[in-house]
Amino acid sequence: DAKTTQPPSMDCAEGRAANLPCNHSTISGNEYVYWYRQIHSQGPQYIIHGLKNNETNEMASLIITEDRKSSTLILPHATLRDTAVYYCTSPNTGNQFYFGTGTSLTVIP
Amino acid sequence: DVKVTQSSRYLVKRTGEKVFLECVQDMDHENMFWYRQDPGLGLRLIYFSYDVKMKEKGDIPEGYSVSREKKERFSLILESASTNQTSMYLCASSLGQRSTDTQYFGPGTRLTVL
Repeated sequence: DAKTTQPPSMDCAEGRAANLPCNHSTISGNEYVYWYRQIHSQGPQYIIHGLKNNETNEMASLIITEDRKSSTLILPHATLRDTAVYYCTSPNTGNQFYFGTGTSLTVIP
Repeated sequence: DVKVTQSSRYLVKRTGEKVFLECVQDMDHENMFWYRQDPGLGLRLIYFSYDVKMKEKGDIPEGYSVSREKKERFSLILESASTNQTSMYLCASSLGQRSTDTQYFGPGTRLTVL
């Protein structure tokens, strides 16, 4: 069963920050939030994950609300190569992930 | 870096053929997974394995079987391919069963069954 919901599509201007939302109001307190992205015809690529605190790495930042009901993936300076489908997901016991249909991000020149 | 490789990027088979999709990971991961991806349906879990010679059914195992004889290799088998098995097949691996264990994906195999 889906534990996360995302908008089906978003646009972002090149060079601007892309903010991708995810609702995960039903995940439990010890379930991590993961973000992946998939560029056309390739396998999903891991971006970042977190539990309660905000996280940042070389690819993106992850902001998780204090109540953990939602999160936002931030690509600080979107490029054309960031055009992809972005998945927000959370593994259950046993490390099983559920991937929905994600958000299709289009970066516009 | 974790590397997950799949035997073919593109494969064309005929209805009724037996099809083998191979997946190899080089990071000594315990877990391996097979998904299929279809437009509008996201990724759906077919089978997974937590250890050598162990397998568990995922959400859509019908028409598929798997084999894990060695830790690094996880094979997906279509005993008698059908046209509704035309899809993108993705393999993934992860270190263990903790929720902090990231899954890493291979490049995918696009299978067409005629």
